[in-house]
Amino acid sequence: GESVGLHLPTLSVQEGDNSIINCAYSNSASDYFIWYKQESGKGPQFIIDIRSNMDKRQGQRVTVLLNKTVKHLSLQIAATQPGDSAVYFCAEKKEGSSNTGKLIFGQGTTLQVKP
Amino acid sequence: DTAVSQTPKYLVTQMGNDKSIKCEQNLGHDTMYWYKQDSKKFLKIMFSYNNKELIINETVPNRFSPKSPDKAHLNLHINSLELGDSAVYFCASSQAHRENRFFGSGTRLTVV
Repeated sequence: GESVGLHLPTLSVQEGDNSIINCAYSNSASDYFIWYKQESGKGPQFIIDIRSNMDKRQGQRVTVLLNKTVKHLSLQIAATQPGDSAVYFCAEKKEGSSNTGKLIFGQGTTLQVKP
Repeated sequence: DTAVSQTPKYLVTQMGNDKSIKCEQNLGHDTMYWYKQDSKKFLKIMFSYNNKELIINETVPNRFSPKSPDKAHLNLHINSLELGDSAVYFCASSQAHRENRFFGSGTRLTVV
């Protein structure tokens, strides 16, 4: 299953399928991107990040892809599990700003995993 | 041994009241933040402090006043609460030279 950022805030997938969550970021000068997962009643938790000098980064069951040409970021989750059900946020940081500078968060996509 | 802890978890109060939310981190981080999450889950930075000094102050009404007694604590005081202040408020912290924020579990503020 696949989402398109702001226009499809909920993505529903079958357990075991791969999920793709998309994010269109706003600032071509952004040099750092991060994905967070927020489960119900909890704060956002770090999943994976990527800098603008890369176009792909892999973690455990997750892959982030960055396409700077079209200002697009995606999070791929392999073999989606019920525990992956959450709201997923992308965030960007502007180039040149300090590490503690503003992270701009996207709207968020709700991932629902059907058993 | 929660890394970023904030209290209370729920806060229901009447319009016009003054309330505080406390935050503590035991990660040894230098920078702390307050974020507001609205009913549509949109997360927006309000303030950040680095070693007790204010470094980001977004366009937030001056009814909101952060206070950092030391680098492990960042409290948020809100005067004259309004209905529109109802939201979930998250405290977060980060290490020097690292962008990742560690978030607390949030305080759901409901103004009635």
